[in-house]
Amino acid sequence: EAQVTQNPRYLITVTGKKLTVTCSQNMNHEYMSWYRQDPGLGLRQIYYSMNVEVTDKGDVPEGYKVSRKEKRNFPLILESPSPNQTSLYFCASRQGYDEQYFGPGTRLTVT
Amino acid sequence: GESVGLHLPTLSVQEGDNSIINCAYSNSASDYFIWYKQESGKGPQFIIDIRSNMDKRQGQRVTVLLNKTVKHLSLQIAATQPGDSAVYFCARPGGTGFQKLVFGTGTRLLVSP
Repeated sequence: EAQVTQNPRYLITVTGKKLTVTCSQNMNHEYMSWYRQDPGLGLRQIYYSMNVEVTDKGDVPEGYKVSRKEKRNFPLILESPSPNQTSLYFCASRQGYDEQYFGPGTRLTVT
Repeated sequence: GESVGLHLPTLSVQEGDNSIINCAYSNSASDYFIWYKQESGKGPQFIIDIRSNMDKRQGQRVTVLLNKTVKHLSLQIAATQPGDSAVYFCARPGGTGFQKLVFGTGTRLLVSP
């Protein structure tokens, strides 16, 4: 089954404790991206990757890092999480201009 | 700048009715629009898309209409079912090379029996 998976699905952590949210897709897509979703603000792009070893900032990259060492994986790293990074995070992938697939989301709470 | 927006935050309909969800956009440069459905606890799911060389496109129980003159598109759902209850977003490519999707704020569709 074609899918984008994210782990963990739920995470509660404390300010400053480094964390990684993993994202994996099984469709051999070149493009992958991370979004955060906040009430009243909709979905906003954090980072994206057009291919392996090619990443770039989206609209809200501050406080986040990504890496793309292999095509299927695109982890999101929060080196020092803060409460304003409490949000619902979605990973997405697509091939070229085709349909974009989203993962099930990761709900992060930073206290 | 580029933006999309939705007219109503919430739309309530009765099962079996037709639903119309509207979306306006501000930049005519985009030639591609997409509708997504997001059910509670899930990620957005592609419903249907339309390119600017079309005025209308039909899928299974869904129709998207694009009015480029007034920069407006709509999603029509025929014979709305309880399973259609979700938040619906219109989106368009952003960036110079489709680096991202720019989403509207969403309309929550509530279907009552």
